[in-house]
Amino acid sequence: AQSVAQPEDQVNVAEGNPLTVKCTYSVSGNPYLFWYVQYPNRGLQFLLKYITGDNLVKGSYGFEAEFNKSQTSFHLKKPSALVSDSALYFCAVRDGNSGYALNFGKGTSLLVTP
Amino acid sequence: NAGVTQTPKFQVLKTGQSMTLQCAQDMNHEYMSWYRQDPGMGLRLIHYSVGAGITDQGEVPNGYNVSRSTTEDFPLRLLSAAPSQTSVYFCASSVISGGNNEQFFGPGTRLTVL
Repeated sequence: AQSVAQPEDQVNVAEGNPLTVKCTYSVSGNPYLFWYVQYPNRGLQFLLKYITGDNLVKGSYGFEAEFNKSQTSFHLKKPSALVSDSALYFCAVRDGNSGYALNFGKGTSLLVTP
Repeated sequence: NAGVTQTPKFQVLKTGQSMTLQCAQDMNHEYMSWYRQDPGMGLRLIHYSVGAGITDQGEVPNGYNVSRSTTEDFPLRLLSAAPSQTSVYFCASSVISGGNNEQFFGPGTRLTVL
């Protein structure tokens, strides 16, 4: 089955510093990978996706993700964190067995401190 | 566009009661799905639909029923609520064409079963 893992429950970073939220994947075939963000008491918002092509994917709100096939990783990055980036971040992979559903990681809570 | 809407936002049930969680989208998306979100577990797929009249089970379908009589609506029914169904429920939708499109999520329904 297609799956992703987020090894960190929480990431703390100071405002202005670069941030990385880690994700590794396990798939058979080509991976279709996504990042979503969830602000408190809100639904999930799409940030970016990797389908094919360039290994560096740019998304919303200044976020980007680097696809690394040899390390089976898809880490989310931002050069300069904002306090408003504090939220819950989910990595997901398309589940080929359930139509177009996504298999989500457990989520990583990002806290950006002033 | 209102996007994906869900009602109610909050609900408290007693064990054994039944209820329907409503989900509607106005984007003419073929694909719709229901997830539940539990702390430390990410989102898990309950049921999904690839079009009106077509539904299928996801990872955790027990205790839930769905139907899809129109493209716009995808209600989730709890037949006999149990405390284990206490969770936050999210509805999502996407287009199917292209196969790897991002999903749009509703704001969620927070359900407590006593």
